[in-house]
Amino acid sequence: GNSVTQMEGPVTLSEEAFLTINCTYTATGYPSLFWYVQYPGEGLQLLLKATKADDKGSNKGFEATYRKETTSFHLEKGSVQVSDSAVYFCALRDYQLIWGAGTKLIIKP
Amino acid sequence: GAVVSQHPSWVICKSGTSVKIECRSLDFQATTMFWYRQFPKQSLMLMATSNEGSKATYEQGVEKDKFLINHASLTLSTLTVTSAHPEDSSFYICSASLGLRTDTQYFGPGTRLTVL
Repeated sequence: GNSVTQMEGPVTLSEEAFLTINCTYTATGYPSLFWYVQYPGEGLQLLLKATKADDKGSNKGFEATYRKETTSFHLEKGSVQVSDSAVYFCALRDYQLIWGAGTKLIIKP
Repeated sequence: GAVVSQHPSWVICKSGTSVKIECRSLDFQATTMFWYRQFPKQSLMLMATSNEGSKATYEQGVEKDKFLINHASLTLSTLTVTSAHPEDSSFYICSASLGLRTDTQYFGPGTRLTVL
C-alpha cells in the first residue's frame, strides 16, 4: 500500500543554518504531496504542496520539489529561525491523506 | 483562516469510563470532519470520516462501537471513547473540511487522552 517515510528527529540546528528534512514515498499512480507543520500547542497547518512531478511547492521560505524519479519530496529552507521550531509532517494523498511519522525540528539561537 | 478547536486539550480517566472529545469549526461550516489517532513517534492514522447528518465511515480495524462519532451539526463533531482502557491512551486529532477534497483540511490542536 501507499506509505510515507520521513527522517527521524529531533533535528537540532542553529539559527540561520540550512535545513533539509527528507521524505520519500511509495505510491501507485500520481499522488499529491504535502508538508504540514505543527507549532507547539497548535493544530496542523498546511505548509506547502505539489500536485504533479517536478512541481515545486513553496511557502514561508520553505521549498520542496516533487521528484518522481526518486519518489521524494524533501523539505528545505536556506536559513532557519527559532520560530521555525515545530513538528513537520510529510503526507501524500490518494483518496485520503497518508502521513509520515513527523520530524521534530529544534532551532537554537 | 479557518480555525478548528478541540476540547478538552487533555484528559485523564479511569479504566472502564467513557470520554467525549469535541471538535468544533469556529468560523466555517464543515461538510466533512475527520478523526485521527497518533501514537508516539508514529504517523497519524485516520480513524473515521464523518459527514454532517450521516453515519461515520470507519477505517478498517477501528471499532465503531468503541469509538462513537457524532456529527450533529456543520460545526460540531464528537468522538466518544467508550469503556476506555489503557491501550486507548493516545493523541486524538480532528480536522474539518470545507468541501469534499481531502487536501483542504483544517486541523484541531489535538486531545491527549490518558487512561489509568
